[in-house]
Amino acid sequence: AQSVTQLDSHVSVSEGTPVLLRCNYSSSYSPSLFWYVQHPNKGLQLLLKYTSAATLVKGINGFEAEFKKSETSFHLTKPSAHMSDAAEYFCVVGGIQGAQKLVFGQGTRLTINP
Amino acid sequence: GAVVSQHPSWVICKSGTSVKIECRSLDFQATTMFWYRQFPKQSLMLMATSNEGSKATYEQGVEKDKFLINHASLTLSTLTVTSAHPEDSSFYICSARAPPTSGRASYNEQFFGPGTRLTVL
Repeated sequence: AQSVTQLDSHVSVSEGTPVLLRCNYSSSYSPSLFWYVQHPNKGLQLLLKYTSAATLVKGINGFEAEFKKSETSFHLTKPSAHMSDAAEYFCVVGGIQGAQKLVFGQGTRLTINP
Repeated sequence: GAVVSQHPSWVICKSGTSVKIECRSLDFQATTMFWYRQFPKQSLMLMATSNEGSKATYEQGVEKDKFLINHASLTLSTLTVTSAHPEDSSFYICSARAPPTSGRASYNEQFFGPGTRLTVL
């Protein structure tokens, strides 16, 4: 079985400061991992994905995440927060080949203070 | 990139009526589509997996007769909420997965629609 835990339900940072959104996963196999962002009343947008290639994954809008197998983590970071980054972020784990389902974390609401 | 649309984007209906939500993959053929439900300030919960030309696979606890799913073509899946009640009010999101041979998507990546806000009075 697969699961994912987002360690913070809410993160608040000041504009221009670094962002860290934490995610731990559990999987019996080498997983696919994703970070999605959802703005209010909008659908999901893929920020980045890990699919067993490079462990440091760069995504859109300056976000990146590092896959650490030893820590079963896939934390999302950004060096400098922007007001437009305020949104809900979901860490998602997908299965190995043949397993199509995605399992979503509980979400982390990111607030950016001026 | 791959685009998935949903229609309508929001709907208000009376209790006891049925509502149909459409999910379309606009520029690729989706052999598999997924339906999710999201309550306010909560995460997405998978309701069912829809495969073109076959019956949908429902997650545990999801009523098949209440949430009817039809995936009649490679670009369209529909979710019908039958005899809707206020507790069915939610944000419904679909996603579509392109076949691995399409060259368009990495394996296991799903492309999400913008969602449909259902309010049952």
